[in-house]
Amino acid sequence: GESVGLHLPTLSVQEGDNSIINCAYSNSASDYFIWYKQESGKGPQFIIDIRSNMDKRQGQRVTVLLNKTVKHLSLQIAATQPGDSAVYFCAENKYNQGGKLIFGQGTELSVKP
Amino acid sequence: GAVVSQHPSWVICKSGTSVKIECRSLDFQATTMFWYRQFPKQSLMLMATSNEGSKATYEQGVEKDKFLINHASLTLSTLTVTSAHPEDSSFYICSARDLQHNVGEQYFGPGTRLTVT
Repeated sequence: GESVGLHLPTLSVQEGDNSIINCAYSNSASDYFIWYKQESGKGPQFIIDIRSNMDKRQGQRVTVLLNKTVKHLSLQIAATQPGDSAVYFCAENKYNQGGKLIFGQGTELSVKP
Repeated sequence: GAVVSQHPSWVICKSGTSVKIECRSLDFQATTMFWYRQFPKQSLMLMATSNEGSKATYEQGVEKDKFLINHASLTLSTLTVTSAHPEDSSFYICSARDLQHNVGEQYFGPGTRLTVT
């Protein structure tokens, strides 16, 4: 069935290093993805999105890459800071089903000072 | 802009009682709001899609008679957990779509922690 999943549940990086968080999906028709950051006890925050007509999109310190051939996307965080410590989710936006989101498993990012 | 609030932020109730959670879009109108449930160390699971003025659409496996959703206005949706039991203890999060902006983007509330004793 359709799913959006993550390769690793936890990721620990040194402050200042770059972080890469991965996400795999199974439905080749999926064409709109969003990355969210969720801090402990809070709701998810939008980070960046990407549609299938793009393979890369950049934001402030973040880059999302989409590889439709292998159905994989990644979130890269440059110069990771302690404030980046959180759980990161990729989600598929099913805009043809009222815009509901299907969330992946999540990766907990821990930044060591 | 695009702020979504939830009330209460946390609630403790006794088994068998009902509890209502409110989700409000503070500075925009939202014809569609979504309700999610999240257990510790797990992902968000969509429970239902709430459209203003119509019945909610529930995801498979979610009991509509247990989780009552009302979306009476463009800025307010409520989720009532009826006859709550300890297994309903969870983090409940709502989100809302802003009509004015990117149709795909949802804004999330801060969540409501429900503990059923």
